[in-house]
Amino acid sequence: DAGVTQSPTHLIKTRGQHVTLRCSPISGHKSVSWYQQVLGQGPQFIFQYYEKEERGRGNFPDRFSARQFPNYSSELNVNALLLGDSALYLCASSLGQLGSGNTIYFGEGSWLTVV
Amino acid sequence: DAKTTQPPSMDCAEGRAANLPCNHSTISGNEYVYWYRQIHSQGPQYIIHGLKNNETNEMASLIITEDRKSSTLILPHATLRDTAVYYCIVSRNEKLTFGTGTRLTIIP
Repeated sequence: DAGVTQSPTHLIKTRGQHVTLRCSPISGHKSVSWYQQVLGQGPQFIFQYYEKEERGRGNFPDRFSARQFPNYSSELNVNALLLGDSALYLCASSLGQLGSGNTIYFGEGSWLTVV
Repeated sequence: DAKTTQPPSMDCAEGRAANLPCNHSTISGNEYVYWYRQIHSQGPQYIIHGLKNNETNEMASLIITEDRKSSTLILPHATLRDTAVYYCIVSRNEKLTFGTGTRLTIIP
């Protein structure tokens, strides 16, 4: 069975540009959550989407946005990129909402470098 | 948000049991405790999770204290491939909150 898949795996952007990262959850999973992991730190929660609605948001600026599609895949968008946005962006999926006790599976992440 | 506190690093001899502690003294009644590990900045790998009762699976055991303010992850027979950063996480409806993790090194 396919796990959580993310694309692209690596990308380089210039300051001020925008980026779109994509995530396909495990088949049947309805919750997708996004995390930013800066080198040397633990992942930080950005968003949770469940049944195509935003259900939670971390302490990130409005430059970060996301959406979930009818097939439960998701996109994370970051506008006006800053050097500090360079990080590993992780996507996770689960059957139910975070906090429901379901197993939560992570993808391998998308490495974003902003130059 | 419920926070977790873990020792920054631990060593364990190969073949011995590795016991990783986690403090989550502000956890509320409906928050689950999850454990993940991460190797070389790959995606976090799920290990185990629980609410109140102790749990065991093919990878590890999770011991949660009766007051739920702390837990211990037990890797029964550590191997070199268990060297990783281990994260103890509490989950509520809206988010997962990661701590700083424990860097576990398995020594031959």
